[in-house]
Amino acid sequence: EPEVTQTPSHQVTQMGQEVILRCVPISNHLYFYWYRQILGQKVEFLVSFYNNEISEKSEIFDDQFSVERPDGSNFTLKIRSTKLEDSAMYFCASREGAVSEQFFGPGTRLTVL
Amino acid sequence: AQSVTQLGSHVSVSEGALVLLRCNYSSSVPPYLFWYVQYPNQGLQLLLKYTSAATLVKGINGFEAEFKKSETSFHLTKPSAHMSDAAEYFCAVRGGGATNKLIFGTGTLLAVQP
Repeated sequence: EPEVTQTPSHQVTQMGQEVILRCVPISNHLYFYWYRQILGQKVEFLVSFYNNEISEKSEIFDDQFSVERPDGSNFTLKIRSTKLEDSAMYFCASREGAVSEQFFGPGTRLTVL
Repeated sequence: AQSVTQLGSHVSVSEGALVLLRCNYSSSVPPYLFWYVQYPNQGLQLLLKYTSAATLVKGINGFEAEFKKSETSFHLTKPSAHMSDAAEYFCAVRGGGATNKLIFGTGTLLAVQP
């Protein structure tokens, strides 16, 4: 069964460093998302991406964040200068069409020291 | 704007007992509603979804949920809990607009006692 994959599963970084979180969505999906879950809190929407551009972003998704689909299969989330409060589990999701469900990856746990 | 509220951050049941996890929604449009399960150190797995068809929705692992418009509720139930059901459960509503982002509740941690 096709699935969304994410790498790495766990990333530890120093405050101020750049990180890139990678996702491979399901191959025929067209809509891509990043969500995050701070420990003990609810899952929050960060950004959606369709047709090679951001279609919606939340207030959390400030200038330190960017997304890219560099090669038609990967979907990346970059944090330019990490802060302590960026420590969270980051989930990638994708969906095929307008009314289909979202499929989530296993997440990347980001720890900023 | 769409939102969901999950009542009870922790629910504990005995193995074999009824599971009832509560979710109430607020939506300015007919809602699409979802229940996801998150096992420890894993991602989110879709249990079931309501997309304006049948009001009683059956999902995986014996779970079901009933959409009640009059009560703005979408509670998740399972007749008989199993130890393997211990996990965190999230109710979500599809946000408005073209992006169909999901708006999640705060989650309910289900513990199953032997």
